[in-house]
Amino acid sequence: GDSVTQMEGPVTLSEEAFLTINCTYTATGYPSLFWYVQYPGEGLQLLLKATKADDKGSNKGFEATYRKETTSFHLEKGSVQVSDSAVYFCALYHSGGGADGLTFGKGTHLIIQP
Amino acid sequence: DGGITQSPKYLFRKEGQNVTLSCEQNLNHDAMYWYRQDPGQGLRLIYYSQIVNDFQKGDIAEGYSVSREKKESFPLTVTSAQKNPTAFYLCASTGLAGPTDTQYFGPGTRLTVL
Repeated sequence: GDSVTQMEGPVTLSEEAFLTINCTYTATGYPSLFWYVQYPGEGLQLLLKATKADDKGSNKGFEATYRKETTSFHLEKGSVQVSDSAVYFCALYHSGGGADGLTFGKGTHLIIQP
Repeated sequence: DGGITQSPKYLFRKEGQNVTLSCEQNLNHDAMYWYRQDPGQGLRLIYYSQIVNDFQKGDIAEGYSVSREKKESFPLTVTSAQKNPTAFYLCASTGLAGPTDTQYFGPGTRLTVL
């Protein structure tokens, strides 16, 4: 079945550091890929998405490129801020992959220190 | 403002009791979803519904039930058959009949069994 693997956290960085959170997936065909962010005590918010190979999703300084050859969708940001501290989830949707919902990774807790 | 509301924010239940979590959306979305979030496990799909009066089991439906009598409402009942119900429950919706479009999440309900 479909699956998403993210790097384990917590990831602790200093403000203005470069961020990479790795995400790889297993799915047949061409899934759509998403990054969601969850701030403490809240639901999830879509951060960015890509629906086909080589697409780049971007939002709020974050970027991720859909790499089919490496089945990856790594999240990057050039200069993180304390306000970026949150849990980040990589997810995929694959039509015909089973139940009609998103398949999520386990989440990566990001902590940015001033 | 359009969005998804969940109530209550915190819920306590005694063992052996059924409890119902509310989810309402005013986004005019067709599809609605319930996920369960446990620490370190990401989100897992419980049930989903693509149209009124129809719903499907997700990956972990045992011990849960839902109804979809109105487009804007998708309540989840956690029954006494659910062996480990303590978790954070998230409701989501999307405008298309499938989550390739953005899934919007509610703020969540934290259920604790005493």
